Amino acid sequence: AQSVAQPEDQVNVAEGNPLTVKCTYSVSGNPYLFWYVQYPNRGLQFLLKYITGDNLVKGSYGFEAEFNKSQTSFHLKKPSALVSDSALYFCARPHSGAGSYQLTFGKGTKLSVIP
Amino acid sequence: DAGVTQSPTHLIKTRGQQVTLRCSPISGHKSVSWYQQVLGQGPQFIFQYYEKEERGRGNFPDRFSARQFPNYSSELNVNALLLGDSALYLCASSFQQDFTGNTIYFGEGSWLTVV
Repeated sequence: AQSVAQPEDQVNVAEGNPLTVKCTYSVSGNPYLFWYVQYPNRGLQFLLKYITGDNLVKGSYGFEAEFNKSQTSFHLKKPSALVSDSALYFCARPHSGAGSYQLTFGKGTKLSVIP
Repeated sequence: DAGVTQSPTHLIKTRGQQVTLRCSPISGHKSVSWYQQVLGQGPQFIFQYYEKEERGRGNFPDRFSARQFPNYSSELNVNALLLGDSALYLCASSFQQDFTGNTIYFGEGSWLTVV
């Protein structure tokens, strides 16, 4: 089954330091991958996606992610964290099965940026 | 342009009651999907509708139903509410039925509390 895993429930980082939120994916199926962010009591906001091409994908709010086929990973990164980046981050995998288009999400990683 | 809009934003229902949640997709998007997000977990796929037809269904009981209207807006109905139905219900829209590189965009969600 196509799946993603987020190994860390929480990541703490000091403001101004680089941040990484980890995501790994199962080898079966397509390697398409998405990142979404959820601020407190809000819906999901799309950050970026990997389809094909350049392994380094740039997205919204200064975030980027690197697709690594050998490690089956798609880690989200930002060079300098802001307090406003504190939120819940979800890695997701799109797939079309039996005619439907749906996302399978990881369990989420809570990012806390400490002033 | 307006994003995905959902209503109501918050509601409280009693066990056994019925609830209807509403969603308007992004203009030009013909596919609407519904997801349930229980506190502390990633969103789970419930339904996808495209051109007014159900195209996919997740692992949810028959108490959950939905429909899509000619203007592509959608309603999610849940009958015989249980305490475990308390969650954030997210509506999402995409341009096409299948994944062809398209992005799924989410609304702010409807918070349902069952007491």
